[in-house]
Amino acid sequence: DIVMTQTPLSSPVTLGQPASISCRSSQSLVHSDGNTYLSWLQQRPGQPPRLLIYKISNRFSGVPDRFSGSGAGTDFTLKISRVEAEDVGVYYCMQATQASWTFGQGTKLEIK
Amino acid sequence: EVQLVESGGGLVQPGRSLRLSCTASGFTFGDYAMSWFRQAPGKGLEWVGFIRSKAYGGTTEYAASVKGRFTISRDDSKSIAYLQMNSLKTEDTAVYYCTRGPRAFDYWGQGTLVTVSS
Repeated sequence: DIVMTQTPLSSPVTLGQPASISCRSSQSLVHSDGNTYLSWLQQRPGQPPRLLIYKISNRFSGVPDRFSGSGAGTDFTLKISRVEAEDVGVYYCMQATQASWTFGQGTKLEIK
Repeated sequence: EVQLVESGGGLVQPGRSLRLSCTASGFTFGDYAMSWFRQAPGKGLEWVGFIRSKAYGGTTEYAASVKGRFTISRDDSKSIAYLQMNSLKTEDTAVYYCTRGPRAFDYWGQGTLVTVSS
């Protein structure tokens, strides 16, 4: 299975400041169809996961534009340009290029 | 509006079976693959498996941890996906979520809690 490694595991951020989460995969996530199936999900406390970004950099419907994704191959980044209180939660990267689909350990975003 | 509602969770003894349902609305269910994930208490997310749409053969894929014990099926006439869980183990205790899609999981249900304990 592809191992997904996120850093940091915890990120205290001041409101209005940027935040960045890195995700590294143990193998390239480029699929034979040319797509890279790397997604970012947010899980607020007590809530189900919510899709933020799919295929590296595509924001899902309704996701604020302060969230952005980038990267290629094995290295990916989620950035929040200005953290708001509602952004508190755990963020997961996930690959769906090679079965079994796997997740990073999660990064807990909290407000300082 | 796309909605997914899981049901069927509860307390079950090790070695017993349980069937979860995922009832969908707001989209043409038969056109989509459906996936199941789970999250053990205080832990991260784990993919369980998925079922392709009938257009892609309706075939299934499973995580190694559940292969041979869990079966995913679908009833497109009722817009329901099922997760049949047999030979349950204490480590299967988790909130189980269904989602739409095999690769980009755009909508998630609220989840249903399965507790495996004697």
